[in-house]
Amino acid sequence: GAVVSQHPSRVICKSGTSVKIECRSLDFQATTMFWYRQFPKQSLMLMATSNEGSKATYEQGVEKDKFLINHASLTLSTLTVTSAHPEDSSFYICSARGFAQGRVNTEAFFGQGTRLTVV
Amino acid sequence: QKEVEQDPGPLSVPEGAIVSLNCTYSNSAFQYFMWYRQYSRKGPELLMYTYSSGNKEDGRFTAQVDKSSKYISLFIRDSQPSDSATYLCASPNQGGKLIFGQGTELSVKP
Repeated sequence: GAVVSQHPSRVICKSGTSVKIECRSLDFQATTMFWYRQFPKQSLMLMATSNEGSKATYEQGVEKDKFLINHASLTLSTLTVTSAHPEDSSFYICSARGFAQGRVNTEAFFGQGTRLTVV
Repeated sequence: QKEVEQDPGPLSVPEGAIVSLNCTYSNSAFQYFMWYRQYSRKGPELLMYTYSSGNKEDGRFTAQVDKSSKYISLFIRDSQPSDSATYLCASPNQGGKLIFGQGTELSVKP
């Protein structure tokens, strides 16, 4: 399958600071990237959808000023958690969908996830 | 009603057993169906991908879709301890968003 690299895999930050998470598609052009949040023993909760070169579309209840998403190129999207608080501690996962030889564009491939702990 | 429903388990089976994981969905417009496997503290990994009704086999895994009953299944033959993970079914809606089931936690005991 296609490769999506997410970095960092784990981060611990102090309350009030900002954290940036990167998501890269390594072998295909990601026209759409998705950012999810996952709590223990629960399914993935979609936070926002971003298309390359345009503003992200946020799901209801997700603060766009707190979770800044940038999708400036076909291979990179970033999620910045601004002014992080302990309640932002969670597992964040990106996924990417796009076009590559032999692949249907409805497939979505996931990054490895980032475990954020705010202390 | 959730668009995709999945029994969260947990499901525990002995090594070598046949595992049946199931989901139901409510949106008749769904055309593509995916099964993802997620190990603890990792991102989901695409296992199987099917379009419309029918079966698809890949090694020990078989995905089955019955659109008439809106029922999707994943069968794992000769289950191994390394199959222990959470399995998520999903389908993209017309807007392209993946709609996930809750995930079923599977444990294969040696």
